[in-house]
Formats: sequence, C-alpha cells, structure tokens
Amino acid sequence: DGGITQSPKYLFRKEGQNVTLSCEQNLNHDAMYWYRQDPGQGLRLIYYSQIVNDFQKGDIAEGYSVSREKKESFPLTVTSAQKNPTAFYLCASSITGGGTEAFFGQGTRLTVV
Amino acid sequence: SQQGEEDPQALSIQEGENATMNCSYKTSINNLQWYRQNSGRGLVHLILIRSNEREKHSGRLRVTLDTSKKSSSLLITASRAADTASYFCATDYTGGFKTIFGAGTRLFVKA
Repeated sequence: DGGITQSPKYLFRKEGQNVTLSCEQNLNHDAMYWYRQDPGQGLRLIYYSQIVNDFQKGDIAEGYSVSREKKESFPLTVTSAQKNPTAFYLCASSITGGGTEAFFGQGTRLTVV
Repeated sequence: SQQGEEDPQALSIQEGENATMNCSYKTSINNLQWYRQNSGRGLVHLILIRSNEREKHSGRLRVTLDTSKKSSSLLITASRAADTASYFCATDYTGGFKTIFGAGTRLFVKA
C-alpha cells in the first residue's frame, strides 16, 4: 500500500536532548513537508523540501533541522534550542509543490518531560 | 501572517442537518483546498477548487469560492455523527510554493 509513515506515534524527550522524528513515503512524491500543530490550532510549516538534497525553512524553523538525502525520507530533528517542543508533528508529501493534494502521516506526539 | 481564517471556530449540529464552514484569505491564490482531521490523526484531503472555479461538488460536500471576496465555504449536507472532526482550509498563494493552513473549524455532529 502506498502511503506516508511517521514514527514513533508517541515520543518523550528530556529537556536538553535532541530527538529525531521519522517520515517515510512510498508515493514517489517530490515534495515533503513538516508541520507543527498545537492544541486547538492550525498547522504551522516548519520545513519543506521540493526535491532531494534541497530544503527550505518554513515559518517556524528555529530549533529544528531536517535532511533530504533520499526522495522517500525527510527526518525532522527537534534540537535542544527549540524552547517549547511539546506538540503534535505532522509530515506530508505531495507530487509537486504547493497547491497539489497533500498526503499526511498519522503524526508524532512529542512531549518534553 | 498569510494564514487563512475559518469561521466559525466551532460548530455543533444535529445529525441530518447541514453544516457550513467559511474560510477567508488575504492575497491572490492559485487554488484552495479543504482537509479534514479526526482527533489526534493526520489530515485527509477532501476537495480542491481552483481560482477560476466557483463551485465544486464531491458527494455530500459542496465548496464555493469567491475570489473577489477572498473567501470560500464548505457545505456538508445531511451530516452524520461520523462527520465529527476538524476541517481546515489551505491556500496556495500565487507565486508561492507553500500551502498555508487556517486554524480550522471544529464540527460536532450529535446523533
């Protein structure tokens, strides 16, 4: 089955630690995205990638880093520099850039303890 | 912020009634999309309407777009309890790559 997979579903992190969220897609999509969602809020764009080996900062990139070494994979690292990392993180992909249907993973809920 | 805004923030209706949600945005767009999110899950694409279209239907969904007013509406007819979810509009601004999501409307359909 084609789709986009995020792991883990739940993640707990101690303050001061970096943590990496996984996102894999087998849809052969060029574009991939990371969004952050806080309770009762919409989605805010963290990073996006239009093509392998290229990525751009979104609206709230501070304290986050990404890589796009393979077309299928777009991992997000939440660094210790992110002041308020507890949130729901969503990864998405689309055939091309903005304006095409986006397919979302099921999300990773990160909690800092 | 370029973020669109949905209205109302929350909506509670009885099963069988129609639900209407509105979305306003700020600058010219290429197209507008509506997504649905069940609690704690990812978003699911519902419908895309292009800037040169005025109305689009998909099953019980009807979407309208008024580019002169920079607004869109999503109508769900004959709602069901299973329609309970949050609904987001997403805009793709002319000349931009990013898709910008609004804050969403929470719909609760009572059985």
